[in-house]
Amino acid sequence: GGIITQTPKFLIGQEGQKLTLKCQQNFNHDTMYWYRQDSGKGLRLIYYSITENDLQKGDLSEGYDASREKKSSFSLTVTSAQKNEMAVFLCASSPRGTEVFFGKGTRLTVV
Amino acid sequence: AQSVTQPDARVTVSEGASLQLRCKYSYSGTPYLFWYVQYPRQGLQLLLKYYSGDPVVQGVNGFEAEFIKSNSSFHLRKASVHWSDSAVYFCAVSANYGNEKITFGAGTKLTIKP
Repeated sequence: GGIITQTPKFLIGQEGQKLTLKCQQNFNHDTMYWYRQDSGKGLRLIYYSITENDLQKGDLSEGYDASREKKSSFSLTVTSAQKNEMAVFLCASSPRGTEVFFGKGTRLTVV
Repeated sequence: AQSVTQPDARVTVSEGASLQLRCKYSYSGTPYLFWYVQYPRQGLQLLLKYYSGDPVVQGVNGFEAEFIKSNSSFHLRKASVHWSDSAVYFCAVSANYGNEKITFGAGTKLTIKP
C-alpha cells in the first residue's frame, strides 16, 4: 500500500497572498492531480501531471500554478488568494489514469 | 471534452429501502467509470469501477453499478441501505487510454432515515 501526504492540513492566508500547498505520494504512480472541492460543486480539476516535469491544465487552472519537479511530489500555488475564499484542495495520484487515490486534503481559508 | 452529471444533489432514503443514485457521463470514446464515496470528515474512497466486460460491476458494502452505453449512464444501486451508508457519492469518468484527465460529478449527498 501507499499513502498521499498533503501539507499543511489547514492554511489560513491573507487576501492577495501567494500560498503553496504540497503533496507527496509513495505509490510510485505516474499521474498526479490537484482538485478543488467546494460544497455543492463537487470536485473540479485544477492541474494534473502525467510524469515528472509535465503539467496539464484542468477546468479550473486560472489563478493557480503547479509544479512537478519529482515523480513523488506535486505542489500547487494559489497565485493571489481571494478574500472569503474557503475550499478544500485534494491531491490525488493514479497509475496511468485508472483508479485515483486521494490525500486527506488541505483546507484553505482566506481572511 | 468529458463531463459527468449527477442530477440529484440530495437523496433521502429510509433504512432498509433500495437505492439508486443517478450518473450520466459525456465522453466520445469508451470510458472508464468510477463511483467514489466520502464519509463525513473522511477522504474519498473508491466504491467500484468499470473498465470493460460485464456492464454490471460489484463494489464494496453491497453496492453495484450498471454501465449502459446507449444511455451514457452509470447508475449506482443498493438493494437495502444501512444508516452507515450516509455519505456523499461521486461519479467520475476518464478516457480508457492516453488522456488521463479524470472528471468528477458534483456529488449526491445521501441521507438515511431511521
